[in-house]
Amino acid sequence: EPEVTQTPSHQVTQMGQEVILRCVPISNHLYFYWYRQILGQKVEFLVSFYNNEISEKSEIFDDQFSVERPDGSNFTLKIRSTKLEDSAMYFCASMSLRQGTDTQYFGPGTRLTVL
Amino acid sequence: AQSVSQHNHHVILSEAASLELGCNYSYGGTVNLFWYVQYPGQHLQLLLKYFSGDPLVKGIKGFEAEFIKSKFSFNLRKPSVQWSDTAEYFCAVLNYGGSQGNLIFGKGTKLSVKP
Repeated sequence: EPEVTQTPSHQVTQMGQEVILRCVPISNHLYFYWYRQILGQKVEFLVSFYNNEISEKSEIFDDQFSVERPDGSNFTLKIRSTKLEDSAMYFCASMSLRQGTDTQYFGPGTRLTVL
Repeated sequence: AQSVSQHNHHVILSEAASLELGCNYSYGGTVNLFWYVQYPGQHLQLLLKYFSGDPLVKGIKGFEAEFIKSKFSFNLRKPSVQWSDTAEYFCAVLNYGGSQGNLIFGKGTKLSVKP
């Protein structure tokens, strides 16, 4: 069964550094998402992406964040200058078509630790 | 804004016990509801979803959930749990605020099943 994959599984970085989290969505999916989960808190929506554009973003997704689909397979989340509070598990998800019964499929997550 | 509440933070059961995990949502209109499960070290997987029709939804691995509109609830049930059901369970509602929708999650309920 096709799966969403994410790399790396764990990233440790220093505050102020740039990080890029990578996702490979399921190949025929058109809609992409990033969510994050700070330890002990809810999974929170960050951004959705379709047709090479951001569809929607949450308040969390400020100017430090950006997303890109640099080629036909990867979907990346970049944090320009990481802060301590960016430490979280970041999940990528993809969906085939925005229909009434479609499901978002999640990757295994990247644990980001900002020191 | 929509929200999802899961009142049980951690549930501990013995094998063969029955399970019911509570989920309440805030939105009074048409809702699309999901239960996801996250086994230790794995990604979020869809257990079941409700979009319309029969309010009693059957999912994978013997799980079911009942949508009760008057109570704004979508509780997850399983008649007899197994040790392998040890995982974290997340209730989510689809937010159609944007062009492609995004999921709003509850805080999750950790289930520990004792052999």
